[in-house]
Amino acid sequence: AQSVTQPDARVTVSEGASLQLRCKYSYFGTPYLFWYVQYPRQGLQLLLKYYPGDPVVQGVNGFEAEFSKSNSSFHLRKASVHWSDWAVYFCAVSIGNTGYQNFYFGKGTSLTVIP
Amino acid sequence: EAAVTQSPRNKVTVTGGNVTLSCRQTNSHNYMYWYRQDTGHGLRLIHYSYGAGNLQIGDVPDGYKATRTTQEDFFLLLELASPSQTSLYFCASSVGFSNERLFFGHGTKLSVL
Repeated sequence: AQSVTQPDARVTVSEGASLQLRCKYSYFGTPYLFWYVQYPRQGLQLLLKYYPGDPVVQGVNGFEAEFSKSNSSFHLRKASVHWSDWAVYFCAVSIGNTGYQNFYFGKGTSLTVIP
Repeated sequence: EAAVTQSPRNKVTVTGGNVTLSCRQTNSHNYMYWYRQDTGHGLRLIHYSYGAGNLQIGDVPDGYKATRTTQEDFFLLLELASPSQTSLYFCASSVGFSNERLFFGHGTKLSVL
């Protein structure tokens, strides 16, 4: 069955430090993968999405993610974290065929940025 | 940017009460979804729809009904609300192809006392 696992419920980093948030997926077909961010009291916003092709995907605000089929992973990275990155991050996989689509989300990783 | 608008933003009701959460999207997306978000569980799919009059059961449907009256409008109904339904509810829409993203509303915070 398809699923998404984010093994780290909470991550704390210092401002300016690098960041990696982990995501593992389980899906036998062609995965379409997404990272969303949720700022306090807001809905989820798209950071980036992966289509089959280049394994490294660039997103907004300096975020990027790398797809690995062999590891079934889609980890999110940022070279230098800013205080405004304090948020909850969700990894998701979209599955479906023509006329059908559904999403599976990880439980989220709460990122805290310390000065 | 596709717009998804939820109302109300906050709702308080009592156990056994009736609640209707509303969602409207303005980009004529085929798919609309209702999720609930709870600490430790992430987002869980309650119901979804791929067009007016259609309803599909999600992963946590018990205690919830939903109705898609038009392409734009999708409602979530709690007819006998229970404290376990206290949660943050999100509506989302998408075109309906697996490589397309979800667009989310701002959420409705529901408290059942």
